[in-house]
Amino acid sequence: KQEVTQIPAALSVPEGENLVLNCSFTDSAIYNLQWFRQDPGKGLTSLLLIQSSQREQTSGRLNASLDKSSGRSTLYIAASQPGDSATYLCAVSGGGADGLTFGKGTHLIIQP
Amino acid sequence: SAVISQKPSRDICQRGTSLTIQCQVDSQVTMMFWYRQQPGQSLTLIATANQGSEATYESGFVIDKFPISRPNLTFSTLTVSNMSPEDSSIYLCSAVRITGYKTEAFFGQGTRLTVV
Repeated sequence: KQEVTQIPAALSVPEGENLVLNCSFTDSAIYNLQWFRQDPGKGLTSLLLIQSSQREQTSGRLNASLDKSSGRSTLYIAASQPGDSATYLCAVSGGGADGLTFGKGTHLIIQP
Repeated sequence: SAVISQKPSRDICQRGTSLTIQCQVDSQVTMMFWYRQQPGQSLTLIATANQGSEATYESGFVIDKFPISRPNLTFSTLTVSNMSPEDSSIYLCSAVRITGYKTEAFFGQGTRLTVV
């Protein structure tokens, strides 16, 4: 059974710092990996999608990498802003028709 | 992307009653799923909503407790039956669009359910 672990569970840093959030998964036979953002009381917003054949994806200040063989992904946030404060979730899919297996998330606070 | 509307956004229900949550997607999608997020926890997959047939449930979830319908490609409902306080959670609908080799999941805003 696939298990997804996210480290750290919580992180509080001053504005402007560059951050790395980590995600690991036990079964490397994934179809894709997705990073989401969840704001309090809200649903999930998709940030980046990495197909299993890809190594990384970038969107603005966000960069996600995937090392499928070692079962790891990282989300890099450059020049963090208070608006980046949220819970960041990593999720993997075993197949195109499968649901997602989620990690417990990293609760991020960016101090002004 | 796909825009997903969920109703209701929140509800407070008496134990023993049932609540039906609706999920509407603004365009045709390949797959629809239902997840539960218990307080302080991450998301757990409840079931795959199959169009025109019975849903496929994950281990620990059963049809009698969580009946699901998906009459067409853009609409699904989840019913939480005979509720107890342990059912207090956020329930989220997800839609997956498959285009070529790319498979991407989108989520609704969720339904925050409190059972008293």
